[in-house]
This record gives sequence, C-alpha cells and structure tokens, in this order.
Amino acid sequence: SQTIHQWPATLVQPVGSPLSLECTVEGTSNPNLYWYRQAAGRGLQLLFYSVGIGQISSEVPQNLSASRPQDRQFILSSKKLLLSDSGFYLCAWSRGGAYEQYFGPGTRLTVT
Amino acid sequence: EDQVTQSPEALRLQEGESSSLNCSYTVSGLRGLFWYRQDPGKGPEFLFTLYSAGEEKEKERLKATLTKKESFLHITAPKPEDSATYLCAVQAPGSNYQLIWGAGTKLIIKP
Repeated sequence: SQTIHQWPATLVQPVGSPLSLECTVEGTSNPNLYWYRQAAGRGLQLLFYSVGIGQISSEVPQNLSASRPQDRQFILSSKKLLLSDSGFYLCAWSRGGAYEQYFGPGTRLTVT
Repeated sequence: EDQVTQSPEALRLQEGESSSLNCSYTVSGLRGLFWYRQDPGKGPEFLFTLYSAGEEKEKERLKATLTKKESFLHITAPKPEDSATYLCAVQAPGSNYQLIWGAGTKLIIKP
C-alpha cells in the first residue's frame, strides 16, 4: 500500500527566515506530486505540482518554490518567510492518469 | 467561471439524525467529482470519486450521488465519529492535475 509522509508536523519561524518542508511517498513509482496551502475555512489552494523529477509547475506567484530531487520526494522552500506564508501546508500524490489525490498529514506553519 | 460551492457551511445533527450535504458546481464537461473527509489538524482523506450523472457510491453510513449540476453526500444514522469537515472538489476543465475545491461543510454530530 502507499504511504505519504510530511515533516515537520508543526513549525514556528520568524519573518525573514528560510523554510524547507519535505514530503515523501512510499509504495508507488513516478507519482504526480502536489503542494497545497489551506487557509482556515477556505478551500485548498494548489501551489505547485510535479509530474516527474525536476519538472515543477507553479500555479500561484508567491514567495515559495518547490523542487523534486528524487522520484518520490517533493520539497517546498522559501528563502525569506513572510507573515502571509502562515498556514497549513499539505502534500498530495496521485497516480499518473488518475485524478483522485491522496494527502499527507500536513504541516502547520506559523510565521511570527 | 468554474466554481464549486458547498452548503451548508456547518451542520449540527443529533446522533442518528440523517441528513445531506450539498456540493454544486459550474464546471462544463465534468471529468470527475471527489469527496474528502478532513479531521481537525489532519490532511483530507479520500472518500469517493463520481464521474457521471446518476452514479452513486457508498461507504458505511455515507452515500454520494451525482446529478448534472450538483452532488449530495447523504449521511444515514450518523455517529459522533462522523464529525469532520467534508470537502468536495471537481477536476478542472483542460487540466489533468488541477482540482477546484469547495470551502467544505463542517459536520458536528452530538451524542
């Protein structure tokens, strides 16, 4: 069976500090990978998606970037965090050609 | 504009009191509609995929149905452990990757 991991679970960072959130998927090969941000009481906002190693598509211009150094590893980064980067960050995967996405446990980021 | 609207925003029921959650969409050429359950502080858990009007899917006390303009998530004789936020999403036209999400319905089942 497939498993998706995210870490850390919670993070408190000062404004202007860097960020690195990691996501890994087990039990499948060549998954599509996604990063979302979820604001309280609102729908999920797609930030980045990737269909293969080194292939990243950005949906929203922002202070964040993503990388996919290995087939089942997806990293969300920032060089300098803003207060507005606070939120709940979710990683998800799907099989190529299938639409339903499966989510990780999420990271709660608070920028102070 | 492609849009997904869920109603009500919140629903409080007594244990055993059946009801339905609504997800309406304005996407042309629907290629898939998805229901998820999300517990506080956790990632969404996939429940169902519906592809065409008239289709139904069931899982325990939940049944999802689909028409040409909306989907319903029927919950029969709910228990307190069914309390969660239920999210609906549709596949965006012209994209194999993007889902359009509703804001969710927060369901609270009181014992």
